[in-house]
Order: sequence, then structure tokens, then C-alpha cells
Amino acid sequence: ETGVTQSPTHLIKTRGQQVTLRCSSQSGHNTVSWYQQALGQGPQFIFQYYREEENGRGNFPPRFSGLQFPNYSSELNVNALELDDSALYLCASSLMEGANNEKLFFGSGTQLSVL
Amino acid sequence: GNSVTQMEGPVTLSEEAFLTINCTYTATGYPSLFWYVQYPGEGLQLLLKATKADDKGSNKGFEATYRKETTSFHLEKGSVQVSDSAVYFCALTSGGSYIPTFGRGTSLIVHP
Repeated sequence: ETGVTQSPTHLIKTRGQQVTLRCSSQSGHNTVSWYQQALGQGPQFIFQYYREEENGRGNFPPRFSGLQFPNYSSELNVNALELDDSALYLCASSLMEGANNEKLFFGSGTQLSVL
Repeated sequence: GNSVTQMEGPVTLSEEAFLTINCTYTATGYPSLFWYVQYPGEGLQLLLKATKADDKGSNKGFEATYRKETTSFHLEKGSVQVSDSAVYFCALTSGGSYIPTFGRGTSLIVHP
């Protein structure tokens, strides 16, 4: 049990629709990262938020966007869904404090299927 | 850029067998190396890590040694249990970034 919760656990959408995924960070953590894990692949970094500001972004198009709220919970929004967006989306929280930011606590993920 | 290569799975073993999962990496500078484990239906959990050459990370009977000369970080366990069945991911961070680059994962299946 990591203390990181994601909702919903499963979601089915159709191509072209928009989706919002939610993440509640572990208590005391100020940083959240989002990852896309396609079937049979390792997690791919989407972006990271630190104290409500985007703090790094991977190789994903602008239709992937996010928010971090004052309570450090977070949302991942994906517009104009494509079939290849079908994947497990993982949220990870951490405490960025000086140089100690290496331990990530992952949620169980949201399985998104785009039909 | 950074990359991590893991052996293809699934790895299928009988209980109490010896486990090795190979991992090699390419990175700039001096990376930190990690193994994460993902049990069915769960997110990833950090299993062990090593931050400099010749360091050995260990946890729950698993070990991995940071080998700079061979750019490897192979995961080993002397006697696996059914409960070790999971997907194992090798990962690294480097260049001052704390965002890990993951390998594709290796599925381990342990039979009674």
C-alpha cells in the first residue's frame, strides 16, 4: 500500500473523445509524475508537476496535459483520443527535497481502452 | 540518450530455483540504477537500488550489483517463491534528473 490512489481503475472511451484521470498523492509529497505503460512495455514518462507547476515533460504531444492542485492531487487530461492511447496510466508521487527525489510511490493505475 | 535493455520474458522457474534477470544500460555520466517490481493489478514498487559503481542493492532476498565495466545491473535471488511471481523492471536516472528511464520489464512466473 503506497498511499497513492488513482481513479477510475478502468475506463473505456471512443476515438476522438476526451478523458480525465485523477491521482491522489501520498500525504506529505509535493511532486507527481505521470507515466504511460503500453502492454508489454515499460512505463514512459509523460510529465511531472512540482508545487502546481509543470517541471519536466517527456515526448508526448500537447493533447496530453495536466494539473496539480494545492493539495498536491493531480489530473491527467488527454484530448482527441487515439487508438494508440490505450494503455495503463500510472501516477507516482514523491517528495522533492533538496537532492532526495529518487523514491517514487506508484498508484495501481488507470487502464484506458480506446475503441 | 539513456536506455535500459532487459532480457525477454517470461522467465518460468520452479519454487526454490535460482533467479537471474539480466539488465544492461546506456547512460551519460554516472547513473543511479534501480529494480522495480509490479505485482498483478498493482503499481510499481521500488525493490532495490544502487547509486555508484560496485554498490550492491539488496531487499527481500534479491540482490543486484552495479557493474560499470559491463554497464550491467543483473537481478538475482538464490531461492524464488511463488509469491515472487511478478513483472520486474530495471531503471536508471542520470544527469541530475530524477525521472527514471525504464526497461520493458521481465515477467517472472514461479510454479510450486
